[in-house]
Amino acid sequence: AQRVTQPEKLLSVFKGAPVELKCNYSYSGSPELFWYVQYSRQRLQLLLRHISRESIKGFTADLNKGETSFHLKKPFAQEEDSAMYYCALSPNSGNTPLVFGKGTRLSVIA
Amino acid sequence: ETGVTQSPTHLIKTRGQQVTLRCSSQSGHNTVSWYQQALGQGPQFIFQYYREEENGRGNFPPRFSGLQFPNYSSELNVNALELDDSALYLCASSSNRGRNEQYFGPGTRLTVT
Repeated sequence: AQRVTQPEKLLSVFKGAPVELKCNYSYSGSPELFWYVQYSRQRLQLLLRHISRESIKGFTADLNKGETSFHLKKPFAQEEDSAMYYCALSPNSGNTPLVFGKGTRLSVIA
Repeated sequence: ETGVTQSPTHLIKTRGQQVTLRCSSQSGHNTVSWYQQALGQGPQFIFQYYREEENGRGNFPPRFSGLQFPNYSSELNVNALELDDSALYLCASSSNRGRNEQYFGPGTRLTVT
């Protein structure tokens, strides 16, 4: 069965501090992993995907197949990063549905 | 480029009633997926439509049904509403041409009393 686990419901950090949002997954194949973000009063939007290997808004995420993890990191948190973050898995690279974690609320304190 | 739109924004229904939610996909997208997001949870996949056919279904009972139209817009119908159906219903559109990126609408908040 496919499952995505985000162990922290809430993560509070000070502005300028490093951020790491944890995501672990269980899936026997080679999934595609995503991070979605939802800012206050906005719709859910794609932040980044592991196959792109890009940095978006200073965030990066590396897929670790050995640890089945896809943690989201940013070296210096900004107040505008405060949002709800969801890790999601797709069983393959085709047009397939997403399996989401429960989300982590990031609060960046000034 | 027009984004994904959903209607209505909010809806209040009584247990046992039926409801229809609507979604217009983003321009150029031919696939629509529906998700249910209960309070404090991540979105949970209901079903997906591609070229007017159901193309995958999550763990939801048959009283959850859908349609996709030739213009790729979609409807989600829920019969015999239960209190636990109260949730945010999200529609996401995507293209089957390579990149597996889903674009979400703002959602419809359904409250069942």
